[in-house]
This record gives sequence, structure tokens and C-alpha cells, in this order.
Amino acid sequence: NAGVTQTPKFQVLKTGQSMTLQCAQDMNHNSMYWYRQDPGMGLRLIYYSASEGTTDKGEVPNGYNVSRLNKREFSLRLESAAPSQTSVYFCASGGLGPYEQYFGPGTRLTVT
Amino acid sequence: AQTVTQSQPEMSVQEAETVTLSCTYDTSESDYYLFWYKQPPSRQMILVIRQEAYKQQNATENRFSVNFQKAAKSFSLKISDSQLGDAAMYFCAWGNAGNMLTFGGGTRLMVKP
Repeated sequence: NAGVTQTPKFQVLKTGQSMTLQCAQDMNHNSMYWYRQDPGMGLRLIYYSASEGTTDKGEVPNGYNVSRLNKREFSLRLESAAPSQTSVYFCASGGLGPYEQYFGPGTRLTVT
Repeated sequence: AQTVTQSQPEMSVQEAETVTLSCTYDTSESDYYLFWYKQPPSRQMILVIRQEAYKQQNATENRFSVNFQKAAKSFSLKISDSQLGDAAMYFCAWGNAGNMLTFGGGTRLMVKP
């Protein structure tokens, strides 16, 4: 039982490049989430998917797109990376109550 | 919108002693949960303890316990018999039926041997 997995673990991009962060969960959870964590700060929600086929914006969605490929997989895409998107990105999944979320190991992204 | 505030950027505790981390939150919802997550240097987010807002009894998990004051919107974490492995960032988080989590800014806990 792997829980929540993310790829890659580290990535360096140049400004303007694009990339997709992959996330998969094997806990049969309906909900999946993408957060970013900037240095010295808590996590902020980028996008979430309450169920397969639905996605919604979170607190900081600008510059990102998401795809809920199926119940297991939820990807985050940066179409044109900017230095302000340098951060650690966490994927999480959650089941029915008690509203707990399970997190992946994170992806450290640097945009130069 | 919900807000979660952790007013202590850093705390330190002597090994085997007790430390309390503070958290306050603001919400207009009546049905919610509160969480403390631990983030060690490995970056992994680990759930420490959870509290249901409708329960008056404070949650306890081994050496970790909370002091939940619903009227004051306060949710502090007490770590007893602190161990070196407790050193980490600790995040307080608020969650609702939509599974949306709002995090505080974190408290870095240092444990001195």
C-alpha cells in the first residue's frame, strides 16, 4: 500500500518552460488536492477535485491547470513556469469523513 | 473564509520536558475538524492528532494532546516527554465537510538534548 505518490521528487525549469506534476493514490479516495508550500509558510491550496470528473480552484490557482485523469490520478500542469512558482508542491487525497487528508512526499520545483 | 493563525514561529523545549504550541482559528461554520500535522526535515506531512468540533472531550494520542476551546476558537497542542524525534515544523489546520484544509503558518519546534 503506497498511499499517495508523486513524481518527480525534484525539478528545475527555466522561465517559460512547461511541465506536469503527477500524483496517484491507491486508497480509493474520492477527493484529491494540490498544495504549494513556500519557504517558512504553511500549505496553500491550488486546485482540488472532489470526485472523478470535477475540479475546482483553491486559494492560489493562477498559472496552473489540473486534470483528474481517473479516480487514482490527479495531475498539475504549469504551462509557462515563472520564478514565483518556485515552491514545494504536495498532492493529497481524502476519503469520506473525518476530513483527514493523506499527503504525498512532495516535489521541490525551482524555476530559474 | 477561514483563517488559521500560529503566533509562535519557533519554540524550543528540553528533552523530556513538556511544550505547548498555540493555534487560533476563525470560522463561521459549526461543523468542522481541527488537525495538527508534523513536518520533519524529510518534508513528509504526518498527521499527529485530530479533533472533532462537536466533541467537548479533548483528543489524546500517546504523548500528544490538545486543548480545544471552541468558544475562544483556540486549539493548542501539548507534547509531553519531548523526544529528539519530535523536532519538526508543526502545522495547525482547519477542515470542513468539503475536505478543504486551511493551514496556519507553522511553528518550528527544536528539542534540546
